[in-house]
Amino acid sequence: QSALTQPASVSGSPGQSITISCTGSSSDVGAYNHVSWYQQHPGKAPKLIIYDVNKWPSGVSNRFSGSKSGNTASLTISGLQAEDEADYYCCSYAGSRVFGVFGGGTKLTV
Amino acid sequence: QVLLQESGPGLVKPSQTLSLTCTVSGGSISSGSFYWSWIRQSAERGLEWIGRLYTGGITSYSPSLKSRVSMSVDTSKNQFSLELKSLTAADTAVYYCARGDWGYFDHWGQGALVTVSS
Repeated sequence: QSALTQPASVSGSPGQSITISCTGSSSDVGAYNHVSWYQQHPGKAPKLIIYDVNKWPSGVSNRFSGSKSGNTASLTISGLQAEDEADYYCCSYAGSRVFGVFGGGTKLTV
Repeated sequence: QVLLQESGPGLVKPSQTLSLTCTVSGGSISSGSFYWSWIRQSAERGLEWIGRLYTGGITSYSPSLKSRVSMSVDTSKNQFSLELKSLTAADTAVYYCARGDWGYFDHWGQGALVTVSS
């Protein structure tokens, strides 16, 4: 069982926006502003798309945005494109003993 | 551009020890303030952080794997390594090495599939 809870799947049409939730606890998501999101295409390594809740790594589209409220973080993808179809994972810092706890992943179908 | 590449055996027998190495290029493993981690992914367990290593060899491990894991660094080769003991079928996974900081991993290796089977 994953430490963070994500919906198994979401879907949207090209041009639409979707939001993926990531629910943790007061020991991880709720305790730190160190939530990150990853995009993973089949057979590829995860790619960082959001870090520290709402920051973009260099080269990542601003169609991806992150937010957090209490123990739940969210990833919003606007202007959906076919290439956004992938698995998305959230991750949170959970203290010095657990550097990163991941969500179970959400399959996005466009 | 920092690149990471995992290397090691693809098949390991139950009860044996897995040894993987991550070679880092495009940057020194001993410079900066980043942590170097091992992460694995399986269909059953999803993504699972295994442990991290910091400059000087300071390590911390996942509580669930701590009794079986050790990590080390070889700065002369710009490499860091993972050892996982007493393997079972549940340890079958794709193993990634990654660079990161608190709660995020910004550079990943391509992944190494490790199968535990006799």
